[in-house]
Amino acid sequence: KQEVTQIPAALSVPEGENLVLNCSFTDSAIYNLQWFRQDPGKGLTSLLLIQSSQREQTSGRLNASLDKSSGRSTLYIAASQPGDSATYLCAVPNSGNTPLVFGKGTRLSVIA
Amino acid sequence: NAGVMQNPRHLVRRRGQEARLRCSPMKGHSHVYWYRQLPEEGLKFMVYLQKENIIDESGMPKERFSAEFPKEGPSILRIQQVVRGDSAAYFCASSPTKSADSGNTIYFGEGSWLTVV
Repeated sequence: KQEVTQIPAALSVPEGENLVLNCSFTDSAIYNLQWFRQDPGKGLTSLLLIQSSQREQTSGRLNASLDKSSGRSTLYIAASQPGDSATYLCAVPNSGNTPLVFGKGTRLSVIA
Repeated sequence: NAGVMQNPRHLVRRRGQEARLRCSPMKGHSHVYWYRQLPEEGLKFMVYLQKENIIDESGMPKERFSAEFPKEGPSILRIQQVVRGDSAAYFCASSPTKSADSGNTIYFGEGSWLTVV
């Protein structure tokens, strides 16, 4: 059974800092890995989808890497802004099955 | 192309009442997923449906919870005889195909917040 862990649970940084969020998963036989953003009281917005054959994906100031063999992914946010404050969730498909398994997320606060 | 639409956004029910949550997937999407998010917890998978069929309900509580996705109309998550522990945010998501092996991203609705008093 797939399990996803995200550390840290919460992070507070001053504006402008670069930061890294970590995600680990127990079953490396995954098709892909997704990073989502969730604002308070809102749904989830997909940020990046990395296929199992890829090592990283970039979108603007965001860069996600995937190391399948070690069961790890990182989300790198460059030059953080107060608008980046949200909870960031990592998710992978359950072992061989469709439903996504989510970590508990990292709650990010970027202080102006 | 409208996103995944969920309603109601907020619902208050007394213990013992029924809650019905509706989800209209994105146009062209035939796969629907329901997740529950308890306070301070991550999202937990509940059920995966394709038109008129339940594909995977391994995350659904055995009693009081049911889901359907009829040929016409939205998907419905139904909770009978609600208890305080059912208070949570319920999220619906959709994808055009089985997301895991198609590489397609999955799109989430804004959620329905259920409060049981």
